[in-house]
Amino acid sequence: GENVEQHPSTLSVQEGDSAVIKCTYSDSASNYFPWYKQELGKRPQLIIDIRSNVGEKKDQRIAVTLNKTAKHFSLHITETQPEDSAVYFCAASNSGYSTLTFGKGTMLLVSP
Amino acid sequence: GAVVSQHPSWVICKSGTSVKIECRSLDFQATTMFWYRQFPKQSLMLMATSNEGSKATYEQGVEKDKFLINHASLTLSTLTVTSAHPEDSSFYICSAPDVSLGQETQYFGPGTRLLVL
Repeated sequence: GENVEQHPSTLSVQEGDSAVIKCTYSDSASNYFPWYKQELGKRPQLIIDIRSNVGEKKDQRIAVTLNKTAKHFSLHITETQPEDSAVYFCAASNSGYSTLTFGKGTMLLVSP
Repeated sequence: GAVVSQHPSWVICKSGTSVKIECRSLDFQATTMFWYRQFPKQSLMLMATSNEGSKATYEQGVEKDKFLINHASLTLSTLTVTSAHPEDSSFYICSAPDVSLGQETQYFGPGTRLLVL
């Protein structure tokens, strides 16, 4: 089955800095890669996703890049703000309708 | 986006009792729903895939007789934790994909926090 590795497990940045979280996956059949943000005690919220026919996708301060050959994808957050502090999870599946395999999560702390 | 609800949001029960958790898709139909368990400071672990009108598919290591899943309609899936024990205490979250618009987004419920004493 699919295996998703996520790094780092924790990330501390100053407000205004950029943050990068990286994930690798094992199953070459995976073609859908969403990123979720989870605040303490709350549900995961989709923040951005990318399919394997696209190398990069951007939404305001958030971007995701995908290297299908190397089987890794990354989340980039620019101009970080304290409200970006949360746990971020990457995931992979071979379809958005199929089961998602999650990475272990990255706790992002943005200090004012 | 689509809305998924869960009930109850939290429950405290005695060891040995059964607890039922409901997952509803409020504004779309879901032939498939997913049940996850999340322990503190850990990732979401898929427990089972709930299929409307057929048996659920369980992940390896998840006891199907302990975690009963029923997907009775296109908007409701239930997870029953039978004979709950303290080690079953966890955050249980369901998700459902909204296929009506051809989107792939999986929407998560708000989760149910279970504490077994």
